[in-house]
Amino acid sequence: ETGVTQTPRHLVMGMTNKKSLKCEQHLGHNAMYWYKQSAKKPLELMFVYSLEERVENNSVPSRFSPECPNSSHLFLHLHTLQPEDSALYLCASSQDLPSGRMNEQFFGPGTRLTVL
Amino acid sequence: GQNIDQPTEMTATEGAIVQINCTYQTSGFNGLFWYQQHAGEAPTFLSYNVLDGLEEKGRFSSFLSRSKGYSYLLLKELQMKDSASYLCAAMDSNYQLIWGAGTKLIIKP
Repeated sequence: ETGVTQTPRHLVMGMTNKKSLKCEQHLGHNAMYWYKQSAKKPLELMFVYSLEERVENNSVPSRFSPECPNSSHLFLHLHTLQPEDSALYLCASSQDLPSGRMNEQFFGPGTRLTVL
Repeated sequence: GQNIDQPTEMTATEGAIVQINCTYQTSGFNGLFWYQQHAGEAPTFLSYNVLDGLEEKGRFSSFLSRSKGYSYLLLKELQMKDSASYLCAAMDSNYQLIWGAGTKLIIKP
């Protein structure tokens, strides 16, 4: 248990569906992140939030829409996805945004997404 | 461009020692992280190095050479539970984490 939970753990959806991934952190952290992890590829940073404000959007397609209603919760809304979007989606949090000191990220277990 | 290189897969024997290497090329440098990720689980933090040298933490040690753009993770007295993927990530001058693809470590009895 890292203090970061994600639901659902597994999700299968069609290309026309709309679904949402949920992340909750119980650590009192100020920064939260969404990552995409594909097999044998580096983690891809998708979005970064600090104190509920989006500070980074790494050229992610608009079919992925993040939402951060408060500093403990982070959502990733999905619509009209493509099969190549199938991957493990990881949520993480850290005390603050990365800076000149060690500021490790705590990860959730991820949502395994399959797009048919 | 920015890049992290680490071996895709390594195999070692229970009780032995294994060294997982990581080389990085980043625009500036603000430290290097190692994470462990068991299959189907969250990555968990192992170590952070920002100065040259070896940092020891129990059976695990991490080494950094900034001049060579090189780090390694050393695992001693290997146990079956050490079978996992090990992720290397370097922080650039903008404090962005550049991730490697991970090294899958297989421990055999």
